Amino acid sequence: EPEVTQTPSHQVTQMGQEVILRCVPISNHLYFYWYRQILGQKVEFLVSFYNNEISEKSEIFDDQFSVERPDGSNFTLKIRSTKLEDSAMYFCASSPWTSGTDTQYFGPGTRLTVL
Amino acid sequence: TQLLEQSPQFLSIQEGENLTVYCNSSSVFSSLQWYRQEPGEGPVLLVTVVTGGEVKKLKRLTFQFGDARKDSSLHITAAQPGDTGLYLCAGRASVVSASKIIFGSGTRLSIRP
Repeated sequence: EPEVTQTPSHQVTQMGQEVILRCVPISNHLYFYWYRQILGQKVEFLVSFYNNEISEKSEIFDDQFSVERPDGSNFTLKIRSTKLEDSAMYFCASSPWTSGTDTQYFGPGTRLTVL
Repeated sequence: TQLLEQSPQFLSIQEGENLTVYCNSSSVFSSLQWYRQEPGEGPVLLVTVVTGGEVKKLKRLTFQFGDARKDSSLHITAAQPGDTGLYLCAGRASVVSASKIIFGSGTRLSIRP
């Protein structure tokens, strides 16, 4: 069964450094998302992406964050200058958007630790 | 702000017992998903419900979407230790494509052998 994959599984970085988290969505899906989950808290929406542009973003997704689909398969989340509070699990999700419903399928996550 | 409240937050029961987990909101959702999440992993989809009053079954798990599409329940019959985990409900408020889903805080379920 097709799955969303994410790399790396764990990223450790120093505060102020740039990180790029990578995702390969399910191949026939058209809609892509990033969510994050701070330890012990709810899963929170960051951004959605369709047709090579951002569809919706949350207040968390400020100028330090950007997303890109550099080729036909990868979907990336870049954090330009990481802060301690960016430490979290980051989940990529994709959706086919079929018949007006939208089930989002999640990847296994990247654990980002900012020191 | 749309919120999904799950109850109970924690539940520990004996193997073989039945249980129900609730997901409530004051907002209407166009669809609602239930996920299961293991520690350090991503949410794994269990079911999506779309129509008010809809009931879906997945082996011993029964999911129901409220008539008004503001609430949902997950009922597990004859719980087994393998059911242990974090159960999340997540709702989609908008019918606009690519819109976000909002997660509840989860119910952590522990089934004792």
